[in-house]
Amino acid sequence: DQQVKQNSPSLSVQEGRISILNCDYTNSMFDYFLWYKKYPAEGPTFLISISSIKDKNEDGRFTVFLNKSAKHLSLHIVPSQPGDSAVYFCAASGGNQFYFGTGTSLTVIP
Amino acid sequence: DTGVSQNPRHKITKRGQNVTFRCDPISEHNRLYWYRQTLGQGPEFLTYFQNEAQLEKSRLLSDRFSAERPKGSFSTLEIQRTEQGDSAMYLCASSLARPSGGSEQFFGPGTRLTVL
Repeated sequence: DQQVKQNSPSLSVQEGRISILNCDYTNSMFDYFLWYKKYPAEGPTFLISISSIKDKNEDGRFTVFLNKSAKHLSLHIVPSQPGDSAVYFCAASGGNQFYFGTGTSLTVIP
Repeated sequence: DTGVSQNPRHKITKRGQNVTFRCDPISEHNRLYWYRQTLGQGPEFLTYFQNEAQLEKSRLLSDRFSAERPKGSFSTLEIQRTEQGDSAMYLCASSLARPSGGSEQFFGPGTRLTVL
């Protein structure tokens, strides 16, 4: 049973515009959420995280929003750059295990 | 320290053979995780160590899989009597447990296993 879902397998955005990647989860015990970026032939790279006591966390061009009532989080990238093209995974944790979504492949068009 | 390293990067083996992978975490990290990733999926948790103690194992981890972390440093993942369904990318990650909870994991490049 997939506890973390990314329903959009792919997303294309023009350079300079906003990229919005979405993630839904089912377990209300999750209290820590993360986004990772993955390039081919590399392991995932940590981007940004948020704990359940917050609803927003910002780091440069990356902002993560958490809506606990909807069990939904999103990653905003502004402005999008061609180097952002990669697969993005969201992950959630309620203890020692981390559950990952299936990923969204982002393509930023120059 | 250059991050999490994994060896080998690629492994091709015949069905029924045993394979062993190694992970060297970031030196000050006390937690180490093993994941498996197949095409089109996210990483799936296999097992986790806090220092040298293996604290959790997924039900995905059949009795053909065994992991160790002697002395709380590097870790090995062994798969005995490999099956074609074991073909996947095996990822290792490490993190530093914080009293406040919530710590990001740093992943290695993975070992890609192909079972013929």
